[in-house]
Amino acid sequence: QKEVEQNSGPLSVPEGAIASLNCTYSDRGSQSFFWYRQYSGKSPELIMSIYSNGDKEDGRFTAQLNKASQYVSLLIRDSQPSDSATYLCAVVVYNFNKFYFGSGTKLNVKP
Amino acid sequence: SQTIHQWPATLVQPVGSPLSLECTVEGTSNPNLYWYRQAAGRGLQLLFYSVGIGQISSEVPQNLSASRPQDRQFILSSKKLLLSDSGFYLCAWKVQKLFFGSGTQLSVL
Repeated sequence: QKEVEQNSGPLSVPEGAIASLNCTYSDRGSQSFFWYRQYSGKSPELIMSIYSNGDKEDGRFTAQLNKASQYVSLLIRDSQPSDSATYLCAVVVYNFNKFYFGSGTKLNVKP
Repeated sequence: SQTIHQWPATLVQPVGSPLSLECTVEGTSNPNLYWYRQAAGRGLQLLFYSVGIGQISSEVPQNLSASRPQDRQFILSSKKLLLSDSGFYLCAWKVQKLFFGSGTQLSVL
């Protein structure tokens, strides 16, 4: 499988702070990038998608992509306890059929 | 709207027993369908994907098989379960992005 690497955490941040989650990937043919949130015992839900270099903002979430460095990140502003979950990075290679996931980063937001 | 149904939610099976997990999609035609497995505390491992009826691609050689007998039906099977088959099984479908069913927690004892 294509490699998608994430720090397993846990990453602990206080409520209201910015949480920064990182992901690196090995295949330079990767074209599409996604962030999913997964609560314990539940299925992953899509948060953000990003396809081109730069930043993409959606509410409190900002995805950042740097294809030259093979790096994608997710920033969560004004973190809330309800943001406590595991965040999964997913990468799609050129044929757009296979989604490869990292092992996820566990985020704890402390009240 | 498109929805994906996956059942059962939990399953406890003895080693050596057969397995059949089913997934159906509503509200779309000819979707790409996927089976993933997530071991405890781990990421998602792609097991199979299908781009059409009867078209199955296997990612990892293992004790499992998949079939797609109808356009919106995807089945994961095993003839004899192993302890290592335990995990959270997720069916997913793709419309540019990937959306997941609610998952099946399988415990093989």
